[in-house]
Amino acid sequence: SQTIHQWPATLVQPVGSPLSLECTVEGTSNPNLYWYRQAAGRGLQLLFYSVGIGQISSEVPQNLSASRPQDRQFILSSKKLLLSDSGFYLCAWSVRGASYNEQFFGPGTRLTVL
Amino acid sequence: AQSVTQPDIHITVSEGASLELRCNYSYGATPYLFWYVQSPGQGLQLLLKYFSGDTLVQGIKGFEAEFKRSQSSFNLRKPSVHWSDAAEYFCAVGSRSGTYKYIFGTGTRLKVLA
Repeated sequence: SQTIHQWPATLVQPVGSPLSLECTVEGTSNPNLYWYRQAAGRGLQLLFYSVGIGQISSEVPQNLSASRPQDRQFILSSKKLLLSDSGFYLCAWSVRGASYNEQFFGPGTRLTVL
Repeated sequence: AQSVTQPDIHITVSEGASLELRCNYSYGATPYLFWYVQSPGQGLQLLLKYFSGDTLVQGIKGFEAEFKRSQSSFNLRKPSVHWSDAAEYFCAVGSRSGTYKYIFGTGTRLKVLA
């Protein structure tokens, strides 16, 4: 069966520090991968998605970037964190090329920027 | 513009009472439709989905949802709520065109009274 991992589970970082959040998927190949941010009291905002290694689409201009160095690995990064980057970050995957596009979510990373 | 509206931010029901969570969408064509549930500090779990066919879909945990094209709605229902149903519920739409992107509603937080 497929599983999706995210780490760390929680992170507290000072403003201006770098960020690296990692997401890995097991049990599937060639998945589509997604990064979402969930701010308090708001829905989920799609930040990035990827349909293959090195292929990243950005949905919202921001202080963050994403990379996909391996087929089942998706990394969210920042060079200098802002207070507004605080939130709950969710990684998700879906089957590429399927006639439907159900997404499966990881457990999330709670990021607090102080 | 494409959008998903969940008009109820908070809903409180008594255990054993029936539940209906509303979801309306604005989309160029009939999208894929999803309901997810999120327990505090956790990722999202898929409750049910609509792709085509029967407009009344059954999901996990005793939930069901009805797609009404004329009303652009996909409301979630449960005949008898359990205390463990307390969580946040998200409606989402996905494109049939293969862009693999979801649009999420802002969520409805459900509180269950004993």
